[in-house]
Amino acid sequence: AQSVTQLDSQVPVFEEAPVELRCNYSSSVSVYLFWYVQYPNQGLQLLLKYLSGSTLVKGINGFEAEFNKSQTSFHLRKPSVHISDTAEYFCAVAGYSTLTFGKGTMLLVSP
Amino acid sequence: NAGVTQTPKFRILKIGQSMTLQCTQDMNHNYMYWYRQDPGMGLKLIYYSVGAGITDKGEVPNGYNVSRSTTEDFPLRLELAAPSQTSVYFCASMSTYNEQFFGPGTRLTVL
Repeated sequence: AQSVTQLDSQVPVFEEAPVELRCNYSSSVSVYLFWYVQYPNQGLQLLLKYLSGSTLVKGINGFEAEFNKSQTSFHLRKPSVHISDTAEYFCAVAGYSTLTFGKGTMLLVSP
Repeated sequence: NAGVTQTPKFRILKIGQSMTLQCTQDMNHNYMYWYRQDPGMGLKLIYYSVGAGITDKGEVPNGYNVSRSTTEDFPLRLELAAPSQTSVYFCASMSTYNEQFFGPGTRLTVL
């Protein structure tokens, strides 16, 4: 079985500051990991994914994530956030045919 | 490509009424999914399909039904609507690289 824990439900940060959103997972199958972003009143869109290869994965909008197998983590980072990054972020792990999502982290960027 | 489209965008139902949420994708994906999203709870999988004529239950299937007669369409049926089904419903399809593409959602209120 798969599970995802997002350790923070809300992360407030000032504009241009760095941010890290934490994600821990467990999986009984091959580890495919994803981060999705949801802007208000929209569906989810893919930020980045780890399928294999380099443990540092770069995504859209300047985000990156690092896969750490020993710590079963896949934390999302951005060195300098913008007001427009305010959104909810979901970490997900793939099972045989489905994705299991975490409960989400709301990133609140203020000026 | 339109991607994944959902209709309607909003709907208010009375307790006991029925309705069908429509979902169509134009990416020729075999895998399709229905989720519900409630505040602070992430996404819960209702039903999914791995191809035309094949469907399976997810985590929260009670009160819902699905069918998959074509690759493109995956409607979700609510019979005897209840207040507990008030939620935002998302349809998604998945590529062969495990990336899920989401529709814009249907916001349903049952009164």
